[in-house]
Amino acid sequence: EVQLVESGGGLVQPGRSLRLSCAASGFTFSSFWMHWVRQVPGKGLVWVSRINSDGSSTSYADSVKGRFTISRDNANNTVYLQMNSLRAEDTAVYFCVRDDGYCSGGSCYGDYYFDYWGQGTLVTVSS
Amino acid sequence: DIQMTQSPSTLSASIGDRVTITCRASQSISSWLAWYQQKPGKAPKLLIYKASTLESGVPSRFSGSGSGTEFTLTISSLQPDDFATYHCQQYSRYSPTFGQGTKVEIK
Repeated sequence: EVQLVESGGGLVQPGRSLRLSCAASGFTFSSFWMHWVRQVPGKGLVWVSRINSDGSSTSYADSVKGRFTISRDNANNTVYLQMNSLRAEDTAVYFCVRDDGYCSGGSCYGDYYFDYWGQGTLVTVSS
Repeated sequence: DIQMTQSPSTLSASIGDRVTITCRASQSISSWLAWYQQKPGKAPKLLIYKASTLESGVPSRFSGSGSGTEFTLTISSLQPDDFATYHCQQYSRYSPTFGQGTKVEIK
């Protein structure tokens, strides 16, 4: 059974940092691209960042570029989101999600839609 | 970024009703569209991808159609478990975007 379990959320002051973790199990983690998606409670979903299967390529939404860093540890089946210079508008539930991609010819690719989601971790940025 | 607009924002319906939700893209996305169901306090669940392909395990009362800029999600006969918020998402570019969501409520 595929499981994604986020941790690391909490209350943080504006300008400070927080690191989210997502522990994956039940699938070959190193074969899948992973993303972070956030949602202000009661609002829509917003894509934040993605990382390819071996960690060599990343991309970010404009709203977090230069402040957030996504990374992964394939030996420990974990993906991270380092969030620096946090702002009030970063307050949201952060979901770790698996890309429904595929592997072919020794390389793995992302499809940019999401077949498994974690339960989410709430980040609140407030003084 | 490609903007996704869903309508209606809220929909009131009864058990057994046929329900249709529309999602419009600000530019053509071919068939690169997914639909998700989300219940309060829970993570979204993938229902449909590539506009009309049903994810494994999703009941056949759900269907999707459309291409280009206009898409629909249809629930053929609304069941108690279907009261939830539905989100569309485009993935034609490397910056996926979602609609604002459609809440399906009990009439």
